[in-house]
Amino acid sequence: KNQVEQSPQSLIILEGKNCTLQCNYTVSPFSNLRWYKQDTGRGPVSLTIMTFSENTKSNGRYTATLDADTKQSSLHITASQLSDSASYICVVSASGYNKLIFGAGTRLAVHP
Amino acid sequence: ETGVTQTPRHLVMGMTNKKSLKCEQHLGHNAMYWYKQSAKKPLELMFVYSLEERVENNSVPSRFSPECPNSSHLFLHLHTLQPEDSALYLCASSRGGTSGVNTGELFFGEGSRLTVL
Repeated sequence: KNQVEQSPQSLIILEGKNCTLQCNYTVSPFSNLRWYKQDTGRGPVSLTIMTFSENTKSNGRYTATLDADTKQSSLHITASQLSDSASYICVVSASGYNKLIFGAGTRLAVHP
Repeated sequence: ETGVTQTPRHLVMGMTNKKSLKCEQHLGHNAMYWYKQSAKKPLELMFVYSLEERVENNSVPSRFSPECPNSSHLFLHLHTLQPEDSALYLCASSRGGTSGVNTGELFFGEGSRLTVL
């Protein structure tokens, strides 16, 4: 069964600290993996996409990693800011435009 | 601004009401989606339209009725809903039709928060 599991479910960190969010998947055949950020009351916005051959990709203070062998991805946030408070959703694409498997998300709260 | 606009942003309705959610995209995409987002659960795909044809219907109850009059507009007609239908309904669009390339990137609207009393 195609599944995407994210951990932790929620996380609280202090401003300026780093954190890492995890995504494990059992999706086949694998096409790509995206991390989305969803601010409260808004729709999700894509942060980064990882394809099978990519191990690391950065977008500013966000760095995503992918281990296709273990089927794991992580999203590392460096020097967190209050504006990083949001839900982060891992989405794995199988074959076809409508075969997107969503994780339940990690809710991150950055406190001053 | 993602280029996908949803209205209304908030909707409260009784179980006997009939209402509609509207979605409009200005990105030139030819695939549009309705998702349901409930607390602490993954997004649930409801419907997919590609080139104005419905190509996915994920066993959604008939009290939800989609309509796609053209590639830029998508509606979700609601009638005789249940309290468990209360959720955030997200519209999204993407490039690619039935023969297009899937980039996997969805562009979401801000969502319509639905409360069924």
